Amino acid sequence: AQSVTQLGSHVSVSEGALVLLRCNYSSSVPPYLFWYVQYPNQGLQLLLKYTSAATLVKGINGFEAEFKKSETSFHLTKPSAHMSDAAEYFCAVSPGDSSYKLIFGSGTRLLVRP
Amino acid sequence: GAGVSQSPSNKVTEKGKDVELRCDPISGHTALYWYRQSLGQGLEFLIYFQGNSAPDKSGLPSDRFSAERTGGSVSTLTIQRTQQEDSAVYLCASSLRGGTSTDTQYFGPGTRLTVL
Repeated sequence: AQSVTQLGSHVSVSEGALVLLRCNYSSSVPPYLFWYVQYPNQGLQLLLKYTSAATLVKGINGFEAEFKKSETSFHLTKPSAHMSDAAEYFCAVSPGDSSYKLIFGSGTRLLVRP
Repeated sequence: GAGVSQSPSNKVTEKGKDVELRCDPISGHTALYWYRQSLGQGLEFLIYFQGNSAPDKSGLPSDRFSAERTGGSVSTLTIQRTQQEDSAVYLCASSLRGGTSTDTQYFGPGTRLTVL
């Protein structure tokens, strides 16, 4: 079975500081991994996805994530936080190419302080 | 172009009443998904439609929940005899082909359901 753990329900950073949102997964098969962002009163938007190609994945809005099989992690980073990055971020896993189902983590709310 | 739209954006109902939630997918997308986002359970998969294939209903929490997709486009999620634990945001998503998680799912803004 697949599962996702996001450490920290809330993360607070200063504007301009590094953003690090943690995601660890459990999967019995090579996983596909995703990060989604949800702005207030909006649906989820795909930030980036890992589908077994390059382990360092670049997404929209300056975000990137690195797949580390040995650590079963897929942490999301951005070098410099912007006020507009304040949102909720969800990590999701899918058991490879054979499934359309996404299994989501519980989410991390990012707060950006001026 | 237009994204996934859902209506209503908010729905307040009394316990025991039936509700219908609507989803209009992106034009041309053959796959449609329903998810539920609740405080206690996070984001959960509910049901998946792909073309004319039988839907995957494995995520529906009880037989009070049902969904249909007419003409391969608009979908309606129906909850009968609503309970307070049904209170959640119901998200709809669509993707171009479906069948694989690499097919990007585009989400609508959701319907916030409150059961009093």
